[in-house]
Amino acid sequence: KAGVTQTPRYLIKTRGQQVTLSCSPISGHRSVSWYQQTPGQGLQFLFEYFSETQRNKGNFPGRFSGRQFSNSRSEMNVSTLELGDSALYLCASSLRGDGNIQYFGAGTRLSVL
Amino acid sequence: DAKTTQPPSMDCAEGRAANLPCNHSTISGNEYVYWYRQIHSQGPQYIIHGLKNNETNEMASLIITEDRKSSTLILPHATLRDTAVYYCIVRVASDYKLSFGAGTTVTVRA
Repeated sequence: KAGVTQTPRYLIKTRGQQVTLSCSPISGHRSVSWYQQTPGQGLQFLFEYFSETQRNKGNFPGRFSGRQFSNSRSEMNVSTLELGDSALYLCASSLRGDGNIQYFGAGTRLSVL
Repeated sequence: DAKTTQPPSMDCAEGRAANLPCNHSTISGNEYVYWYRQIHSQGPQYIIHGLKNNETNEMASLIITEDRKSSTLILPHATLRDTAVYYCIVRVASDYKLSFGAGTTVTVRA
């Protein structure tokens, strides 16, 4: 069974631009969560989607948004990029009910210049 | 708002068992203990989880004390590939957010 796939793996943007990251969950998983990892703040929860609806949201500004499609694939968008948005963005999928074990992708490394 | 305390780092000899402690003195009755690890520049990897009974899978064993205020993750025969940051997380199973602390950096030495 294929794991969680995130694209692209690496991305370089400049301040003020916007970026879209993609996540394909494990087949059959309908819950997708996004996390941001930085050296200073560690791993922080962004939001979770289930059945195309955002169910949970972390403490991030409105510049961070996401969506989920009917096939459970998810995208995350960051608008008006700031230098501090440079981070590893991780996506995780889970089968709700299976102890909610989250399986992570390899992440997208975003650098904002 | 991590609810766990882990030592910041530990070393282990290759081939020996690695015992990783975690304190979670404020754990509630319906909260599980989850362990994940993150090898450098990769996404976190699920290892094991448990409620109150000891658990074992192909990767590791989880020993939870009777009062559930602490637990130990055991890697039975550590290899160099087990070098990673190990996170102990406490949460209710229905909670869809994982709150990661700083974790324990485990270095396995040849």
